[in-house]
Amino acid sequence: DTAVSQTPKYLVTQMGNDKSIKCEQNLGHDTMYWYKQDSKKFLKIMFSYNNKELIINETVPNRFSPKSPDKAHLNLHINSLELGDSAVYFCASTAGGETQYFGPGTRLLVL
Amino acid sequence: AQSVTQPDIHITVSEGASLELRCNYSYGATPYLFWYVQSPGQGLQLLLKYFSGDTLVQGIKGFEAEFKRSQSSFNLRKPSVHWSDAAEYFCAVGVLTGGGNKLTFGTGTQLKVEL
Repeated sequence: DTAVSQTPKYLVTQMGNDKSIKCEQNLGHDTMYWYKQDSKKFLKIMFSYNNKELIINETVPNRFSPKSPDKAHLNLHINSLELGDSAVYFCASTAGGETQYFGPGTRLLVL
Repeated sequence: AQSVTQPDIHITVSEGASLELRCNYSYGATPYLFWYVQSPGQGLQLLLKYFSGDTLVQGIKGFEAEFKRSQSSFNLRKPSVHWSDAAEYFCAVGVLTGGGNKLTFGTGTQLKVEL
């Protein structure tokens, strides 16, 4: 049983397109996150939701819009994709202030 | 704001040798500290964590780390490295934020193991 899953695993698209990445966790956690890992492997938090409420919103372009339909899901929609959006996007979840469990990542390549 | 420094970008060790990966953090209060490992093309797996209590923490795969408040360090150690330990290692500091734990990561240390 996968604890934190992401779809798709790979995403190749053209500049200017709109795409979504989905994340689901079956751990019963109440907080979920999106991280971006760039080509130099640097990981940076983008967003965090607690019980469907946005609690962390780092300096991310407003082309990125997270949506949490329920506690177990946190999706990331990206409008007007740019070359610089190419990265690996990781979803994570946690219960309160405990350990974050990460998904396998979505590798996005913008051409 | 919190920050994490991993001074070693690359480390190469021989299989069977001991390992120490350095991590220094900056945070005004007692931090939550983590070490994660990332194998090529994979997600992040938690090796160990420090929240409070005993400053020497044991993790999975034979790893341990020691929290030293006076040095603002949380170095990761393993007495005998296996070839399968070759991966990217990330140290992170966590800050409680609105019901969650905001992680700030270091830039990572890539470990290569020579057979």
